[in-house]
Amino acid sequence: EDQVTQSPEALRLQEGESSSLNCSYTVSGLRGLFWYRQDPGKGPEFLFTLYSAGEEKEKERLKATLTKKESFLHITAPKPEDSATYLCAVHRSNDYKLSFGAGTTVTVRA
Amino acid sequence: DGGITQSPKYLFRKEGQNVTLSCEQNLNHDAMYWYRQDPGQGLRLIYYSQIVNDFQKGDIAEGYSVSREKKESFPLTVTSAQKNPTAFYLCASKAERGGNEQFFGPGTRLTVL
Repeated sequence: EDQVTQSPEALRLQEGESSSLNCSYTVSGLRGLFWYRQDPGKGPEFLFTLYSAGEEKEKERLKATLTKKESFLHITAPKPEDSATYLCAVHRSNDYKLSFGAGTTVTVRA
Repeated sequence: DGGITQSPKYLFRKEGQNVTLSCEQNLNHDAMYWYRQDPGQGLRLIYYSQIVNDFQKGDIAEGYSVSREKKESFPLTVTSAQKNPTAFYLCASKAERGGNEQFFGPGTRLTVL
């Protein structure tokens, strides 16, 4: 069975203090790894898709990387508006569903 | 604007009642999904549909039912058989071609009174 584990559960940062979130996965035949941002009481917002080890994607202060066993979401010089829960999900070959981790809740203080 | 709409935003259900959550998309996506989100847990798949008039059970389908009569619409009914329905419900859709990313609606929060 696919397993997706995100750590830490919660992360409190000072504005400008860079950090990384981890997503470890166990899946046979990875077809894609996805990162989403979710604000309280709202639906997840798509950020990135990573398909193969070594791939990197960037968007503003966020950078996602992928290895064969885990993915990292790096937040560089975060601002309070980066406060959200970040979700990781994997898509296995020959399957139609995504398997989600429980998320990392990031709080950035001014 | 293209997107996914869910209604209502908040829903209250009494014990023994069936309630239906609406999900509509104008993205021309073929596949649609229903997830349930509980605090401290990952999203769990309830039902999904890859094409009109066809749908499959996900991991936690018991106590739920769906229909897919139109490409744009995928309503979810929470029946009285669902023993713990209080949760945040999310609808998503995905294009047949291109990337495999799913796009989500704003969600419906269901509370059992």
